[in-house]
Amino acid sequence: DGGITQSPKYLFRKEGQNVTLSCEQNLNHDAMYWYRQDPGQGLRLIYYSQIVNDFQKGDIAEGYSVSREKKESFPLTVTSAQKNPTAFYLCASSIPGLAGLSVEQFFGPGTRLTVL
Amino acid sequence: QQPVQSPQAVILREGEDAVINCSSSKALYSVHWYRQKHGEAPVFLMILLKGGEQKGHEKISASFNEKKQQSSLYLTASQLSYSGTYFCGTEWATGNQFYFGTGTSLTVIP
Repeated sequence: DGGITQSPKYLFRKEGQNVTLSCEQNLNHDAMYWYRQDPGQGLRLIYYSQIVNDFQKGDIAEGYSVSREKKESFPLTVTSAQKNPTAFYLCASSIPGLAGLSVEQFFGPGTRLTVL
Repeated sequence: QQPVQSPQAVILREGEDAVINCSSSKALYSVHWYRQKHGEAPVFLMILLKGGEQKGHEKISASFNEKKQQSSLYLTASQLSYSGTYFCGTEWATGNQFYFGTGTSLTVIP
């Protein structure tokens, strides 16, 4: 079955530690995204990548880093510089938006990160 | 830049109708609607493009008012399964950054 996997579902880390969240997709999508969701708030874009070896910052990229070495993988590292990292993290993918088209995003199940 | 949704929360009885609004401060190219169940990933409902409307689910439809920079989601004859948080997502041009709204919590009770 095609889809997006995120692991682990729950993650606990001590303050000051870097942590990497995994996101893998087998949908053959070129575009991938990372969102952060806090209670009662919408999804805020951290980073996105339209193609392999290229990515752009979203609105809240500070304290996060990403890589896109393979089409199917887009890992997110939450660094110690992120002041308030406890949140629900969602990864998504889509085909690239062609001229005149807007495309849906497919979401993974999410990773709930808690920093103690 | 983040679209504003209203209402923030709504409680319905089965069979009742609801309208959720999504307003942007900028001219929109497209509006997406997603539904998220608690603790789960958002699920796509429909896309509306500037100048047209794409078909969505049965009993769930949407409109796109370009002049008002607003979209509305209509849920008719609500079912228990409609419960969740509804998000609109907006973009100003194809391939531009996508912004999600703050969400509307909808609860359908028997």
